[in-house]
Amino acid sequence: AQSVTQPDIHITVSEGASLELRCNYSYGATPYLFWYVQSPGQGLQLLLKYFSGDTLVQGIKGFEAEFKRSQSSFNLRKPSVHWSDAAEYFCAVDLLDQGAQKLVFGQGTRLTINP
Amino acid sequence: DTEVTQTPKHLVMGMTNKKSLKCEQHMGHRAMYWYKQKAKKPPELMFVYSYEKLSINESVPSRFSPECPNSSLLNLHLHALQPEDSALYLCASSQPGGTGELFFGEGSRLTVL
Repeated sequence: AQSVTQPDIHITVSEGASLELRCNYSYGATPYLFWYVQSPGQGLQLLLKYFSGDTLVQGIKGFEAEFKRSQSSFNLRKPSVHWSDAAEYFCAVDLLDQGAQKLVFGQGTRLTINP
Repeated sequence: DTEVTQTPKHLVMGMTNKKSLKCEQHMGHRAMYWYKQKAKKPPELMFVYSYEKLSINESVPSRFSPECPNSSLLNLHLHALQPEDSALYLCASSQPGGTGELFFGEGSRLTVL
């Protein structure tokens, strides 16, 4: 079955440090992959998406992600985190059902930033 | 306007009440979604409307009844809910055909007593 796994439930990094959040997917065809961020009490905001082409994808807020088919991974990175990056991050795969997007989310990674 | 607006933001209801959650978007999107999110869990898809027709129902109990009166509005009617239905209910919209971004509202936090 198609699924997304985020191995890290909670990550803590210091402000200014680099960040990598892991995401592994299980999907038969070329996946449509997304990273969303959710601040406390808020909805979800799209950071970036991968459909095809260049495997290094740039997103908003200085985030990037790299699609690696051989490793079934789509890890999210940021070279220097800011305190405002503290949030929940969700990786998702789009199953595309009947012309509508059907996102399946990973369990999420909660990011805490130390001052 | 890139907003999806959900009302109310908070709702407390008893198990015998009937209430509705509302969602509105003016981005011209023709696909609209309801997701349910329990605390510390990812969102789970409930319903999808595509061109105002219900296209996906993820085996949601009948005490949840969706309605799409027009291309800008999406309702979720609630009746005879259980305490375990307490959650954040998120509405989203997109252009049908996939590969695009889902725009999410801030959600309606529901508490069932």
